[in-house]
Amino acid sequence: DAGVIQSPRHEVTEMGQEVTLRCKPISGHDYLFWYRQTMMRGLELLIYFNNNVPIDDSGMPEDRFSAKMPNASFSTLKIQPSEPRDSAVYFCASRPGLAGTGGQFFGPGTRLTVL
Amino acid sequence: AQSVTQPDIHITVSEGASLELRCNYSYGATPYLFWYVQSPGQGLQLLLKYFSGDTLVQGIKGFEAEFKRSQSSFNLRKPSVHWSDAAEYFCAVGSLTDSWGKLQFGAGTQVVVTP
Repeated sequence: DAGVIQSPRHEVTEMGQEVTLRCKPISGHDYLFWYRQTMMRGLELLIYFNNNVPIDDSGMPEDRFSAKMPNASFSTLKIQPSEPRDSAVYFCASRPGLAGTGGQFFGPGTRLTVL
Repeated sequence: AQSVTQPDIHITVSEGASLELRCNYSYGATPYLFWYVQSPGQGLQLLLKYFSGDTLVQGIKGFEAEFKRSQSSFNLRKPSVHWSDAAEYFCAVGSLTDSWGKLQFGAGTQVVVTP
C-alpha cells in the first residue's frame, strides 16, 4: 500500500488567497483525521471523519477553515481566506474501523506558508 | 480531563548509549497507548502500541516501552541508539471505550544523537 498520500507537499501563498490541501487515505480505512502542527501549539486535531461523515470539527480554528470528504478515497481541507497565522504543517491520518485496535497512519504532511 | 505529558522537551544522547523517553498520562478510561516518531520533514510513524496483556511491548527499530498503570506511565526505551534515531518522539493516548479512535498527543521530545 502506498500509505496516506497528501498533496501538495509544500504550498506558499499570499494572505487572502484560497488554499486547498488534499488527502488520500489508505484504502479500507474508515476514519480520516486532519491535524495541524506548529511549534507553538504542537499537534492539534482539526476534524475527523468516519465513513465520509464529519464526526467532530471542534478543533477547526474558525469559519475560514472547512473540510470535506466526498468519498472514501479523498478529502480536502480548505482555508479561505488564508492568513499568515495559518502557516503550519498540516497532516492527514487514517485508521481502520476496528475500535481500539491499530494506530493512526500519517501522511507526509503539507507545509503551508502564508505570506 | 485527559492529558499526556512528556516532561523532557529535549534530550541529547551519545551514539551507542541507552535512551529513555518519559510519558505520563491522565485518563479516566482504560487507555491505549502509542509512541510515534517524526523525522525532520516527515510525517509521524508508529513505533509501538499497547492495548492490554504484557506490559512490556516491543516495537520497530529496536524500541520497547513499558506500561506501568500504578505510575500512569508509558516510557520508551532503546538499549543502544543509532545516529538515525535523531528525531522527535510523541506519546499518544486513546481510550478503548472511544470507538472513534481520537488520540491525545504529548508535546513531543526532541532527541539529538551525538557522535
